[in-house]
Amino acid sequence: AQSVAQPEDQVNVAEGNPLTVKCTYSVSGNPYLFWYVQYPNRGLQFLLKYITGDNLVKGSYGFEAEFNKSQTSFHLKKPSALVSDSALYFCAVRGASTGKLIFGQGTTLQVKP
Amino acid sequence: DTGVSQDPRHKITKRGQNVTFRCDPISEHNRLYWYRQTLGQGPEFLTYFQNEAQLEKSRLLSDRFSAERPKGSFSTLEIQRTEQGDSAMYLCASSLAQGYSYEQYFGPGTRLTVT
Repeated sequence: AQSVAQPEDQVNVAEGNPLTVKCTYSVSGNPYLFWYVQYPNRGLQFLLKYITGDNLVKGSYGFEAEFNKSQTSFHLKKPSALVSDSALYFCAVRGASTGKLIFGQGTTLQVKP
Repeated sequence: DTGVSQDPRHKITKRGQNVTFRCDPISEHNRLYWYRQTLGQGPEFLTYFQNEAQLEKSRLLSDRFSAERPKGSFSTLEIQRTEQGDSAMYLCASSLAQGYSYEQYFGPGTRLTVT
């Protein structure tokens, strides 16, 4: 069965500092991995994906994520956090033979000035 | 705006009533998905279509839920005999099943409140 774990309910970081939001997954076969962001009263926005190729993928708004197959992780990173990055972040996984996404519980990112 | 649209944005209904939601995907997308999200949780998969065909349906989806995509464009999700536990945000997403374009694009959601 597919599953995603986001071990931190909330991550706090000061503006200008690097941020990491953690995600681990379980899936049969090769994983397709995604990060989404949700702002209050707005829909989910796609940030980035890993399908194949380089383990470090870059996405929108300066975010990047590192795929680590041995650790089954796909952590979201940004070198310098902005206050406007404060939002709810979801990691998601799908297997190759299905279209559905399995989401983690979400991590609230709070960036303080 | 050429994104995914959902209608209505909010729906308040009494327990036992039927409700229907509509989703219009991004025009060139051939896949359409329905998810449900409750407060403090990640979205939970309900069902998805490729063109007109319903390819997968969650085991968690009771017989009171039905979805259609009759012409391979817009989709409807109907909930019959609503229960208070159906109160949630219902999200629609679409994607293009081609190459490595696996990302799903989400609409703003329909918030259902069952009283």
